[in-house]
Amino acid sequence: SQQGEEDPQALSIQEGENATMNCSYKTSINNLQWYRQNSGRGLVHLILIRSNEREKHSGRLRVTLDTSKKSSSLLITASRAADTASYFCATDPLEGAQKLVFGQGTRLTINP
Amino acid sequence: EAQVTQNPRYLITVTGKKLTVTCSQNMNHEYMSWYRQDPGLGLRQIYYSMNVEVTDKGDVPEGYKVSRKEKRNFPLILESPSPNQTSLYFCASSTWDRVGIDTQYFGPGTRLTVL
Repeated sequence: SQQGEEDPQALSIQEGENATMNCSYKTSINNLQWYRQNSGRGLVHLILIRSNEREKHSGRLRVTLDTSKKSSSLLITASRAADTASYFCATDPLEGAQKLVFGQGTRLTINP
Repeated sequence: EAQVTQNPRYLITVTGKKLTVTCSQNMNHEYMSWYRQDPGLGLRQIYYSMNVEVTDKGDVPEGYKVSRKEKRNFPLILESPSPNQTSLYFCASSTWDRVGIDTQYFGPGTRLTVL
């Protein structure tokens, strides 16, 4: 089963509003990564947050990590139509094979 | 420009006809990986490689082969494709170290249809 699970599966908001997506995982991790995918295209990396970090920012993006709850959130502030995409979290498990495990993603739609 | 390239981008083939999807990266990354993406199932890892001549199975390796003879190339081979391998395939690369796998750089994807 997938390590990371995003919530909600789909989110539709008005341009200018903030969008929050959540990711939960099951096992201890080295890091957690967020990616964006425009329809049918390759994934683009957004932010990597390590297990000893609690919050990171990049432009309008804010990622938090709560290792005690095994969860992360991605906040996009002042959303734009161009933010319409699918967003995935991926976890790098601390134990076991060296591989990222992706969730099924959140489909974000920004309405003009 | 740092990039991961995949070829072909689109492929329609028939059951049983061997095919190879190439993947190449120019960032001297040790770690390379293949994923398939299907509606409702997200990205699932097929195979990964931590360096030349080092490969390992991901979550869905059945029906696929890989090789890593050079650091920059990581081809995906379907010896006898079947319709259930119709999917969107992505190659990715990154560095890795003792603290984990770093940012993945993804190729543009290969849309494969097996009739």
